This record gives sequence, structure tokens and C-alpha cells, in this order.
Amino acid sequence: QSALTQPASVSGSPGQSITISCTGTSSDVGSYNLVSWYQQHPGKAPKLMIYEGSKRPSGVSNRFSGSKSGNTASLTISGLQAEDEADYYCYSYAGSSTFEVFGGGTKLTVL
Amino acid sequence: QVQLQESGPGLVKPSETLSLTCTVSGGSINSFYWSWIRQPPGKGLEWIGYIYYSGSTNYNPSLKSRVTISVDTSKNQFSLKLSSVTAADTAVYYCARGRIVFDYWGQGTLVTVSS
Repeated sequence: QSALTQPASVSGSPGQSITISCTGTSSDVGSYNLVSWYQQHPGKAPKLMIYEGSKRPSGVSNRFSGSKSGNTASLTISGLQAEDEADYYCYSYAGSSTFEVFGGGTKLTVL
Repeated sequence: QVQLQESGPGLVKPSETLSLTCTVSGGSINSFYWSWIRQPPGKGLEWIGYIYYSGSTNYNPSLKSRVTISVDTSKNQFSLKLSSVTAADTAVYYCARGRIVFDYWGQGTLVTVSS
């Protein structure tokens, strides 16, 4: 089972929107709407931002949204703010006969 | 509010066994899956394995031969043992609630493998 593929880095200016992709296969991302996204600031534990592809936990800003097309899931952050600068990881269920995997992570820089 | 706290030695010698415990407070360990995840310095997250409160487990195949996760519902704790460690096992180890979605995380504990 290979790690999900994410871009190493993305950047945007305050107020802009950015999208982080997470590409898997037909065995994981493509088969299930069970991708979750995590935000991690330096030295901190990851924080759940999106689950089941597009659902937001209570307390997470509606500037964060998730979607999926085929074998690729995406996290979009609108109205970028300085506090959004962090690493972002995707994670997908891959079926009962295998195991779950994380994406390699994407460093978001707010310019 | 559910809280998780990892505990255990911060330094382990090569070839020995790494042992960590995660204590759950503010909620019951029952009826949930519980996972261990690690992050080598400067690198990404790696799922180690999970346990259901009833004791069923699933492990990352790349670590399966060395990993044991157990649960003690009476203490609201679950534990990780990783045997025959090497420098490559140096990482921040996190415990988390869930299997497919990790909604609560511990703060993480750095374990260094060194003689």
C-alpha cells in the first residue's frame, strides 16, 4: 500500500484560495468517501479539519472544504489567513483487507 | 472533553523494546477504535496500528512483525510495544482516537533510539 500523493508545498497570499490535492488509487480514495484532512502546526499534534471527504468537525472554520473527483481528494482553503500556514495531511480508508495510509504532507505557506 | 496523554521512556537503546501507554480521560475507551501514529523528525505521519476496545487489532504491514498494541479498559488505557528498535524508529509517537478518522490526539512524545 503506497502513501497517498500530495504536493510538497503550496502557497498563497492572504485572502486568496488554495487547493491541496491528495491522489490515491481506485482501492482507496476512489472507492470510498472516507478521506480526512489534518492540519499540523510546528511542534503540535495534528488537528482534524475535514472527515468523510467533505464534513467539518464542530469548531472548524467554514473556510475549509473538502471534495473528491475520481481517485483524487482535495482540500480547499478560502480567504487565506496567516494562521493557516501549516502542514496538511490527507488520510484514506482503504478497505477491510488492507490498511490505511497517510499522504506525504503539504506545507502551506501564506505569503 | 476527551484528552489523551502518552507516557513512557524518551530514550530507548537499539535492539530493545519501545513501550508507550496512552491514558484516556474525559471519556470512556469503550466503543471506540484507538490508534498509534508516529512522525520521524522533519518527516510525515505514519500509521502504526489500531485496536478496538474489545481487543481486535490491525497493524501497518511494514511494522507488523515488531508491533503489539493492547488495551486495558479498566484503566482507560491502551499501549504500544515496538520491539528490536533501530535509529529509524526515532520519532514523535502520537496516540489518537479513531481508525478512519482521528478526532482526538495526544500531544505526542518524542522517543529517541540511541545507545
